[in-house]
Amino acid sequence: DIQMTQSPSSLSASVGDRVTITCRASQSISSRLAWYQQKAGKAPKVMIYKASTLESGVPSRFSGSGSGTEFTLTISSLQPDDFATYYCQQYNDYPLTFGGGTKVGIK
Amino acid sequence: EVQLVESGGGLVQPGGSLRLSCAASGFSFSDHYMDWVRQAPGKGLEWVGRIRKKTNSYSTEYAASVKGRFTISRDDSKNSLYLQMNSLKTEDTAVYYCASASGSYSHFDHWGQGTLVTVSS
Repeated sequence: DIQMTQSPSSLSASVGDRVTITCRASQSISSRLAWYQQKAGKAPKVMIYKASTLESGVPSRFSGSGSGTEFTLTISSLQPDDFATYYCQQYNDYPLTFGGGTKVGIK
Repeated sequence: EVQLVESGGGLVQPGGSLRLSCAASGFSFSDHYMDWVRQAPGKGLEWVGRIRKKTNSYSTEYAASVKGRFTISRDDSKNSLYLQMNSLKTEDTAVYYCASASGSYSHFDHWGQGTLVTVSS
């Protein structure tokens, strides 16, 4: 199975901060990686797919990069609506696997 | 507007069975792969399994944790997805989401709101 390791598991940041979350795959997954945002009590929502493609309607302050085994999600200027938990997910091979999540909280 | 609406969750005893449904609308259901993803209380996301579309013979994939106990099926005439869960264990307690994907190497583009399954005596 491909293990997805996210770091950090949680962080505290202020509105306007630049935030970077890292996801590492245990083997190469090319660019077959998505990032999801999940707010409490809600379903996940795709933000980025194919490692760097912004989903329609997602603000441009979100960006993704990487390929192979190392990936990052960056929020250039954190906004109040961005406080949530973020998950990476690989869709290169079965079983499909998620990272453990990164909770972005208010400092 | 794309909608995925799960139903059928509830309280069931260990060893029991439950069938979840997911009603889809607003997109071409028959052209999509469909998945189930679950989330135990306070935990992360875990993929449960997938059913491909008719052109892929409705073939399925499962996570090791549910293989042999859970069965995914679909009825394209009803735009519906199902998850038959047998031999339920306490560790199957979770919110179960249905999600759609446009193909084999594709992310989950839409999600339902989830339905809670609680396995407890």
